Amino acid sequence: NAGVTQTPKFRVLKTGQSMTLLCAQDMNHEYMYWYRQDPGMGLRLIHYSVGEGTTAKGEVPDGYNVSRLKKQNFLLGLESAAPSQTSVYFCASSYVVGGANVLTFGAGSRLTVL
Amino acid sequence: AQSVSQHNHHVILSEAASLELGCNYSYGGTVNLFWYVQYPGQHLQLLLKYFSGDPLVKGIKGFEAEFIKSKFSFNLRKPSVQWSDTAEYFCAVNPYTGGFKTIFGAGTRLFVKA
Repeated sequence: NAGVTQTPKFRVLKTGQSMTLLCAQDMNHEYMYWYRQDPGMGLRLIHYSVGEGTTAKGEVPDGYNVSRLKKQNFLLGLESAAPSQTSVYFCASSYVVGGANVLTFGAGSRLTVL
Repeated sequence: AQSVSQHNHHVILSEAASLELGCNYSYGGTVNLFWYVQYPGQHLQLLLKYFSGDPLVKGIKGFEAEFIKSKFSFNLRKPSVQWSDTAEYFCAVNPYTGGFKTIFGAGTRLFVKA
């Protein structure tokens, strides 16, 4: 199994450009998440989804949009990139065990906005 | 605001030294607790988890953590660290009322000197 796959792994954007990060999981997980990781701030939840066709805001949703048209895919979009969105983005999916999540992470996507 | 606090951002130890990384959370209800680890160049992976029962949980590679409900703490320990334990460690909380969101602490970078 591939687990959680993120594409692209690296991307450089200019301010104002748009892009989409793709996350795909092959574990039939219901829940999927997008986090950003910044030095000294840990992982902060951007958006998440509890099932196909549903999305919800996390801790830092501004400037991002998401879609979950298929159960296995969770897309993160930046409509107008800003330097503050320079970060490493991690996608995760999860299954529920005993009422709690166990997250499986992708390898990350490093985004630089100039 | 609900949060997860990790006491140390950077820790440097010599091989064979004992390790304890602190983690406190601010959620008042029932929670599930996790430690995730990110080795250099790799993505995050689960180190150990607490759902219920024995508050002392054991994870991979000789790590253990103790849940102390009265102190809202979930500290990570290892009696004798190895050079290969060099990594960033994240404490995470999944509140039962959190809608399957997992909130992470800022992380602790551990460097083990050979």
